[in-house]
Amino acid sequence: QSVLTQPPSASGTPGQRVTISCSGSSSNLRSNSAYWYQQLPGTAPKLLIYTNYQRPSGVPDRFSGSKSGTSASLAISGLRPDDEADYFCAAWDDTLRGPVFGGGTKLTVL
Amino acid sequence: QAQLQQWGAGLVKPSETLSLTCAVYSGPFSGFYWTWIRQLPGKGLEWIGEINHSGDTNYNPSLKTRVIISVDTPKNQFSLNLKSVTAADTGVYYCARGSSYASNGHRYDPGWFGPWGQGTLATVSS
Repeated sequence: QSVLTQPPSASGTPGQRVTISCSGSSSNLRSNSAYWYQQLPGTAPKLLIYTNYQRPSGVPDRFSGSKSGTSASLAISGLRPDDEADYFCAAWDDTLRGPVFGGGTKLTVL
Repeated sequence: QAQLQQWGAGLVKPSETLSLTCAVYSGPFSGFYWTWIRQLPGKGLEWIGEINHSGDTNYNPSLKTRVIISVDTPKNQFSLNLKSVTAADTGVYYCARGSSYASNGHRYDPGWFGPWGQGTLATVSS
């Protein structure tokens, strides 16, 4: 059971906007930033969002992040077939003194 | 941009030790925490632990009694040893560059992992 809670699945049609949630606690998301990773089938995760809403170079602005209290969200607008992947949230945990991850959300583009 | 390449045994017998090594090519080796993360079947990602170029380590408390992470700084390599493995340790193991840190120990972007190694499927079976 993962420390951060994500819905196991999400779906949308091309062009739609989808949102994936990530729920944590006072020891992680309340006081620390959220990070989001995209994992395409058979590959290593790739950083998508850091420090709640910032995008590394090369990540399209269709991907956006936000955080409020002990929850964070990843939004994907203009959904494309190649967005079909697993998405993971992460945050530093002050109790663990290490990073924790969500269980992942499998996004299906219908 | 740094590139990470990992290798190690893909099949480990129960009660034995899983050993993996990760080499870092290009980019600085000092100033970062070098990390091992695993992905168990049907589950999310799990942080195993980290090491810096000086050999300072931090481990996930749930694995701490079985894990040793070591570093060979002249070779820009770091290694994972997970002892007393069981079938529950079967999964994909990744090495990754973790957060950078300042001389006073302050971490920058503690949830930042990347680049990543290609991953190694480690199967625990007799």
